[in-house]
Parts: sequence; C-alpha cells; structure tokens
Amino acid sequence: EAQVTQNPRYLITVTGKKLTVTCSQNMNHEYMSWYRQDPGLGLRQIYYSMNVEVTDKGDVPEGYKVSRKEKRNFPLILESPSPNQTSLYFCASSIWTSTDTQYFGPGTRLTVL
Amino acid sequence: KQEVTQIPAALSVPEGENLVLNCSFTDSAIYNLQWFRQDPGKGLTSLLLIQSSQREQTSGRLNASLDKSSGRSTLYIAASQPGDSATYLCAVLTQGGSEKLVFGKGTKLTVNP
Repeated sequence: EAQVTQNPRYLITVTGKKLTVTCSQNMNHEYMSWYRQDPGLGLRQIYYSMNVEVTDKGDVPEGYKVSRKEKRNFPLILESPSPNQTSLYFCASSIWTSTDTQYFGPGTRLTVL
Repeated sequence: KQEVTQIPAALSVPEGENLVLNCSFTDSAIYNLQWFRQDPGKGLTSLLLIQSSQREQTSGRLNASLDKSSGRSTLYIAASQPGDSATYLCAVLTQGGSEKLVFGKGTKLTVNP
C-alpha cells in the first residue's frame, strides 16, 4: 500500500531532551516536507527536500533540523525541544515537487513539558 | 507574502444539501491550488488539485473552481452526507521559487443526519 508513515504517533518529552520523528514513504517520491499544525495558526511548513541531500527551510525552521540521506526517509530532529514546539506534526511527500499532489502521513502529536 | 483565507470557519448543514466552501488568496501568481480533507486526529487527504491554467476539477460529488485573477476558489459538495463531516483545507503554491504550500485555516463542516 502506498503510504507515508511517521513514528512515533504520540510523544511526551521534557525540555531539552533530543528527539527524532521519523518519516518514510514507499512511493519513490522526490519531494518531502514537514509541517506543524497549531490551533488558530493552521499548517505551517518547517522544512522541505527536493531530493536526496537537498533540503531547504520553510516558514518556521527555528529549532528543527532535517536530513535526507535516502530518498524514502526524511527525519525531523529536535535537538533541544522547548514547550513552544508542542504541536501536531505532519510529514508529506509528492512525486517531483510541491506542484504535484501531496500525500500526508498520519501525524505525530508531540508534547514538550 | 501569500495569505490564504477560508470562510466560513465552521458550517453545519442537514444531510442532502448542496454546499459551497470558499477560499481566497492574496497573491494571484500561483502554480496551483489544492483542496484537502482532514478528519479529527488524522492526516490530510488530497481531494482536488487545480493547476493555474485550469478553471475547475471534478471528482465524484466534489467540484472545485479556480478564478486566479480574483484570487478565489470554491469547493462545491453536492448532496452532502454525514460522512462528509470533516475539516476542509485549501492550500496554494505561489510562484517565485519557494517550494512551499501556504494553507488556509480550514472550514469545519458538520453534516447532520
């Protein structure tokens, strides 16, 4: 089944403890991106990647890192999480660029205490 | 800076009604506009993608139109059903080199049996 998977789905952590949210797609898509969704603010893009080893900042990249060493994986790294990073996170992918239909993962709900 | 607005924020209708959801955007220089559906606690599902050169797209009971010059799009849902209850999001990809979608905050639709 074609899909985007994220792990974990739910995570509660404490301030400053490094964490990684994994994202994987099995559709051989070139483009991948991360979003966060907050009440009243909607969905905002954090980072995106056009291809392996190519990443760029979205609207709200501060406090996040990404890497794209393989086409199928695009992990989101929070080196020192803070409470303002409590949010619902989505990974998405599309065939070539963001001009194509984007497929979203199920989301990761992160709480930073 | 592109801004996307969706009106109304919430809508409640009886089953069987035809309804229209609205989306407006401030910068008409777009590549495309997409409509998504989001169920509570779930990821986004792409419904329709309209390229900037197109006027409308149809899928089943859904029809989306695009008037790029006026910065407007509508999503028409025919013969609504309780299963259509969800939040509907529109997103635009703006020309100018940045590969990122800008989302509206969504319209929460409730279809009552």
